Amino acid sequence: EIVLTQSPATLSLSPGERATLSCGASQSVSSSYLAWYQQKPGLAPRLLIYDASSRATGIPDRFSGSGSGTDFTLTISRLEPEDSAVYYCQQYGSSRWTFGQGTKVEIK
Amino acid sequence: EVQLVESGGGLVQPGGSLRLSCAVSGFTVGSTYMSWVRQAPGKGLEWVSVIYSGGSTFYADAVKGRFTISRDTSQNTLFLQMNSLRAEDTAFYYCARHKPKAALDIWGQGTMVTVSS
Repeated sequence: EIVLTQSPATLSLSPGERATLSCGASQSVSSSYLAWYQQKPGLAPRLLIYDASSRATGIPDRFSGSGSGTDFTLTISRLEPEDSAVYYCQQYGSSRWTFGQGTKVEIK
Repeated sequence: EVQLVESGGGLVQPGGSLRLSCAVSGFTVGSTYMSWVRQAPGKGLEWVSVIYSGGSTFYADAVKGRFTISRDTSQNTLFLQMNSLRAEDTAFYYCARHKPKAALDIWGQGTMVTVSS
């Protein structure tokens, strides 16, 4: 089973700053099978990025994804107060889906 | 409108059973992959089970042999039958639609399952 490790655990930044979230895989992941989600307290996760770099419907262009192989990145170019949330990466392989442990983004 | 609505959660004793339902609207439940994902209180997301459009099913090791995923196209509903429940199965359970295989693009609001004596 592929293990996803996210870093940092918590990110505390000010509005307008750039956030860089990392997701490392224990084995190579196809870029077509890497996604990012945002989850706010009390709500279901929301798909942000699929196929490593494609934005889901309605997602602002300040969110972008990149990477390949075992290293993937979610970038929030200019943080807004409503971006305060936990962000998860997720991969698919061999009929199994796994999530990273999450990165909490706090807005100062 | 594309929507998923879970129901069936509740409090159950260890060793007991529960059946979760996920009512689908805006698309056909059998037209795409559908999964159940759970989240223990204060913890991260854990994939539980998937049913492919062709009917094949797969499970996380933690629930294999105890949980069964199924669907009823006449009701346009996804199910999760959970048997031999353990305290560690306590979680919010979400159903989700795949886009089309790897990513999960539509999620329900979740239903809480508490396993406790």
